[in-house]
Amino acid sequence: GAGVSQSPSNKVTEKGKDVELRCDPISGHTALYWYRQSLGQGLEFLIYFQGNSAPDKSGLPSDRFSAERTGGSVSTLTIQRTQQEDSAVYLCASSATSGVYNEQFFGPGTRLTVL
Amino acid sequence: QQPVQSPQAVILREGEDAVINCSSSKALYSVHWYRQKHGEAPVFLMILLKGGEQKGHEKISASFNEKKQQSSLYLTASQLSYSGTYFCGTPLPGGGNKLTFGTGTQLKVEL
Repeated sequence: GAGVSQSPSNKVTEKGKDVELRCDPISGHTALYWYRQSLGQGLEFLIYFQGNSAPDKSGLPSDRFSAERTGGSVSTLTIQRTQQEDSAVYLCASSATSGVYNEQFFGPGTRLTVL
Repeated sequence: QQPVQSPQAVILREGEDAVINCSSSKALYSVHWYRQKHGEAPVFLMILLKGGEQKGHEKISASFNEKKQQSSLYLTASQLSYSGTYFCGTPLPGGGNKLTFGTGTQLKVEL
């Protein structure tokens, strides 16, 4: 009965390095979302998966950001050539389907710090 | 597209009531409410749909005024456990239940 898990919980990296953030959604959930939360801000939508496909990548802030989902389960968000403005908490959420009446279950997040 | 929340912060004594408001410049068909405690994941509170359907926790009540594009969350007889940051989320265009969230309302309940 595990919830959404994310790893690592904290990541400190140097500017210019690549990072990979992992999300394990609730088993059986077909929809998966990535959000970014900067200090004092709301949650900013990044990308959404329905199954393994990403119908909407409109929230990705630049082409340095990419994500994939395999087996309808685990998702990885990759940030290449990290910049200081990428520092934030990256949250993953899953829901049973992408229907409007479905709540999203959030993971604890990965706090990314780019030095 | 981000909804606007008010107030930004509120401090209550245990047992007092509070109302948190969320408004959008765009027509809404749903509003989602979440609460986040410091260092924790946001937790679902309620979904309100155009037409009056609601889904959420029994002890939480909310309203959705479609014409005014506003929603309000009502916290009555507040408890210490109600402390946290409350976010409202509204759908982004294109379906998929993708949400854009307000900047949050910080609620602190004291003895």
